Amino acid sequence: DGGITQSPKYLFRKEGQNVTLSCEQNLNHDAMYWYRQDPGQGLRLIYYSQIVNDFQKGDIAEGYSVSREKKESFPLTVTSAQKNPTAFYLCASSHTGASLNTEAFFGQGTRLTVV
Amino acid sequence: AQKVTQAQTEISVVEKEDVTLDCVYETRDTTYYLFWYKQPPSGELVFLIRRNSFDEQNEISGRYSWNFQKSTSSFNFTITASQVVDSAVYFCALRGRMDSSYKLIFGSGTRLLVRP
Repeated sequence: DGGITQSPKYLFRKEGQNVTLSCEQNLNHDAMYWYRQDPGQGLRLIYYSQIVNDFQKGDIAEGYSVSREKKESFPLTVTSAQKNPTAFYLCASSHTGASLNTEAFFGQGTRLTVV
Repeated sequence: AQKVTQAQTEISVVEKEDVTLDCVYETRDTTYYLFWYKQPPSGELVFLIRRNSFDEQNEISGRYSWNFQKSTSSFNFTITASQVVDSAVYFCALRGRMDSSYKLIFGSGTRLLVRP
């Protein structure tokens, strides 16, 4: 079945460590996105990519990095520079972002906790 | 600037009651799309509906209906005869061409609790 797979579902990070969240899609979508969700808040955009080898910062990119070497994959690294990384992270994809009428499809999320 | 406001943080109803979730948006774009998503406890966002800025017809899908009013910049969502399975967080979202980024902008969500 087509869809978006995020792994792992739960992730624990020690202070000062970098961790990478995986996001893979087989929907043949050009655009991919990473969102962060905190309790009681909406989704905030971290990074997005509309094409392979290109990506743009979202509203809260500080402390995060991404790569887009393959169309299917858009991993997110949470670096030690991110001071408050505990949150729920959602990956999404859609047909090219320039198509306004296309909805985004979401993965099941990764819950990251700093211990 | 683009913005989506969902003023209702949490709503609690008894099963079979009707409930309306409010969504107010701001945009300077003349062409834009509005979306509603459902987030059940599992966490994944489920797409419910999209509506373009030129189509103000209301839409009904089973127990769900949507009321888009451009004059008040609102895109409200009504669940008729609510069920316990409707309990979830509901997000309204907007996509326009602002800065050519085509970003999907979300509201803060409304948590709906349907009690048996």
